[in-house]
Amino acid sequence: EAQVTQNPRYLITVTGKKLTVTCSQNMNHEYMSWYRQDPGLGLRQIYYSMNVEVTDKGDVPEGYKVSRKEKRNFPLILESPSPNQTSLYFCASRGTSGYYEQYFGPGTRLTVT
Amino acid sequence: RKEVEQDPGPFNVPEGATVAFNCTYSNSASQSFFWYRQDCRKEPKLLMSVYSSGNEDGRFTAQLNRASQYISLLIRDSKLSDSATYLCVVRAFSGGYQKVTFGTGTKLQVIP
Repeated sequence: EAQVTQNPRYLITVTGKKLTVTCSQNMNHEYMSWYRQDPGLGLRQIYYSMNVEVTDKGDVPEGYKVSRKEKRNFPLILESPSPNQTSLYFCASRGTSGYYEQYFGPGTRLTVT
Repeated sequence: RKEVEQDPGPFNVPEGATVAFNCTYSNSASQSFFWYRQDCRKEPKLLMSVYSSGNEDGRFTAQLNRASQYISLLIRDSKLSDSATYLCVVRAFSGGYQKVTFGTGTKLQVIP
C-alpha cells in the first residue's frame, strides 16, 4: 500500500529536550516536505527536499532542522523545542512529474510544555 | 493580502443541498490548483485537481477563473459524509522553484 508514515503520532515533551519526528514514504517520491498546522493559520511549510541531500527552507523554518540521507526518509528535528512549536505536524511526499498530487502522513501532534 | 484566501465558514447545509465554495489567490503566475479534503485533525487528502476548462467528478465540480483569480468547488446533493474542511491549494513558480500554498480551509457541516 502506498503510504507516508510518521512517528510518533503523539508526543508531549518539555522545553529544550531535543526530539526527532520520523517520516518515511514507500512511493519512491523525490519530493518531500514538512508542514505545521495551527488553528486559523492553515498548513505552513517548514522545510522541503527536492531529492537526496537537497533540502531548503519553507515559510517557517526557524527552530527546525531536517536531513535527507535516503530517498524514503525525511526526519524533522527540533534541537531545542519551545512551547510555540506546539502544533500538528504533517509530512508529505509527491513525485516530480504529472499533476503532482501530494500524499500526507497521518500527522504528529506535538505538545511542548 | 493573503496569497490564498478562503471563507472559513462553517457552512451548515441540509442533506441534499448544493453548496459552493470559492477560493481567491493573489499570484497571477499560479499554475496548478487543487482541492483537498481534511477530516477533523486528520491528514489532508486530494479531492480533485482543477483544470482550466473546469472538471467534474461525480457530485463535485471544480472551476477556475484566471481573470478574476479564483477557483470554486461545487458539491451537489450533499451527504452527511461530505462534512469536512475543504482546503484550496495553489502552486506557482517563485524564485526558480515551485511554491505550494494552502488556504486555511472552509468548514462544511452537512446536517440531517
